[in-house]
Formats: sequence, structure tokens, C-alpha cells
Amino acid sequence: KAGVTQTPRYLIKTRGQQVTLSCSPISGHRSVSWYQQTPGQGLQFLFEYFSETQRNKGNFPGRFSGRQFSNSRSEMNVSTLELGDSALYLCASSTGLAGATSSYEQYFGPGTRLTVT
Amino acid sequence: KNEVEQSPQNLTAQEGEFITINCSYSVGISALHWLQQHPGGGIVSLFMLSSGKKKHGRLIATINIQEKHSSLHITASHPRDSAVYICAVRPNTGNQFYFGTGTSLTVIP
Repeated sequence: KAGVTQTPRYLIKTRGQQVTLSCSPISGHRSVSWYQQTPGQGLQFLFEYFSETQRNKGNFPGRFSGRQFSNSRSEMNVSTLELGDSALYLCASSTGLAGATSSYEQYFGPGTRLTVT
Repeated sequence: KNEVEQSPQNLTAQEGEFITINCSYSVGISALHWLQQHPGGGIVSLFMLSSGKKKHGRLIATINIQEKHSSLHITASHPRDSAVYICAVRPNTGNQFYFGTGTSLTVIP
């Protein structure tokens, strides 16, 4: 099975612009989560999608948004980019949606490295 | 406030040594995950556990739910084990994912 793919792998944007990142999960996986990794804050959870609906959201401003399509592919969008948005953005897919008593193994993509100048 | 604390932050070991990385957390969880990240960014899930102990090759992960503590052990460490190891917890509210700051491991031949 092909792994999780993310496009593009590298991106340079200017402050104030917007950006869209794409994630294709492993075939058959219905949950896609997005994470931001920076040297200062480490890994942080952005949001999780399952069956085209956002199920969980981390503590990020509304400039960060996402969506999931019927084939489980997901996109995340960051509007009005700030210098602090420079980071590695990772997506991960899993077979199911975590709940109070269950969790699922996360399969990570290679990430998109975003640089905001 | 850090929901997940890892120690040590950095670790250097000689090839063949037994290594332990610790993770403590403050929330009720549905599961704890151990992740490995090599230079270049790629993250691999090593273990997902909610109780007891799991073993995969030279890696062993344990968790004590009552004490809210987990350990990752590497037996007979090898230079290819050099990576950042990250502990992550899924709260039993199911609506977040909290990460430790990672342990950077270097194994010297």
C-alpha cells in the first residue's frame, strides 16, 4: 500500500499570502489529522477530519482551516500568513476516529515545510 | 502548562547500551503513542499502548496508567537508533493530541 503523501514538500510564501497544503491518506483510511511542528513549540495538533467532517480542533486561530473530501483526501489552508507560521506541517491518517476509550495508530506523511518571508 | 513531560531532553549513548526514555502525563488518556523522528522530518509510529507492555524487536514500551507514566526502552542500542523520540497522548475526551518535547538520542559507534 502506498503511504501518506503530502504536496507540496517545500513552499515559500510571503507574509499576508494564503497557502493550501494537500494530504492523501493511505487507501482505506478515513481519518486525517494535521499537525504543526516548530523548533520552539514542538509538535502541535491542528485538527482532525473523519468522513468529511472536522471532529476535533487544536488551539489555533481561525486562519487555520481544513477540509476533507469524499475520497478522504484532505487540504489545510492558512490565510494571512505570518512569519510565525513557518513550520513543518505534517498530516497523518488512521483507520478510525479516536474516542474516549479508543485510539488508532497514526501513519505520518513526510510533511510540507513552509517558509514565510 | 505541559500535559506531557519527557526526560531526558538529550541522551548520548555508546553502541550496545541499554537506553530508557521516560514520559509522564497529567490527563486521563485513551492511549499513549511513542513516535520516532529522524533528521529530515519523517515520523514513524513505534507503539500505541493503553496498558501493560509492548515489544517490537529491540524496542520495549511500558505504561503505568495509575502513575500516568510510560517508558521506552531500547536494548543493545545501535547508531541507526539515533533520532528524536516523542511521546504523545490522546486524552480520554478524544478531542486532542498532546505531545512531549521529544528526546534527542545519539548513539555513538
